[in-house]
Amino acid sequence: GQNIDQPTEMTATEGAIVQINCTYQTSGFNGLFWYQQHAGEAPTFLSYNVLDGLEEKGRFSSFLSRSKGYSYLLLKELQMKDSASYLCAVNQAGTALIFGKGTTLSVSS
Amino acid sequence: DVKVTQSSRYLVKRTGEKVFLECVQDMDHENMFWYRQDPGLGLRLIYFSYDVKMKEKGDIPEGYSVSREKKERFSLILESASTNQTSMYLCASSLSLFVTGGDNEQFFGPGTRLTVL
Repeated sequence: GQNIDQPTEMTATEGAIVQINCTYQTSGFNGLFWYQQHAGEAPTFLSYNVLDGLEEKGRFSSFLSRSKGYSYLLLKELQMKDSASYLCAVNQAGTALIFGKGTTLSVSS
Repeated sequence: DVKVTQSSRYLVKRTGEKVFLECVQDMDHENMFWYRQDPGLGLRLIYFSYDVKMKEKGDIPEGYSVSREKKERFSLILESASTNQTSMYLCASSLSLFVTGGDNEQFFGPGTRLTVL
């Protein structure tokens, strides 16, 4: 079967670092996406990993371990505007992305 | 920039009505998708299309149909709306299902919040 797991909710304070984990079990794997979704808005692309290792993009980094079926999104120097849902999605060739249920991050001052 | 637009941001319909949700993308993408998003359930795929007049069922196609007569337009149809179809509906498009790398990124429209009374 296909399964993607993420924590439902996380909280953090401004300026902190938070790591959002994603584990997956899928029949095929062709990369992993992270999306950000603010309340009432559409998901927007954050990062893509297809090889093992860390991809850094400003305050956000994403890590992938294909052998462990594991990824994380790392957010540094948290800001209030980072309060959003973060969606992990697995890419399989020939079909739509498979999305996790998302992690709602609340950043407080 | 890729732009995906949806015909309405908010829609209120009555039980039993036929409902059309329209989605248009302007980047010549091959693939288009319809999802619904509900609290605690995440994004669930209803249907997708990889070419004009082609469609594939997603995880929850029951109660829905789709139409893709032109490459840029993908319509979701609720033949007889029911209250359990009250939800946020998101359309997305992507370049191709068969490319490697980030080219399979899906671009989302702003969503249509449908309420069925």
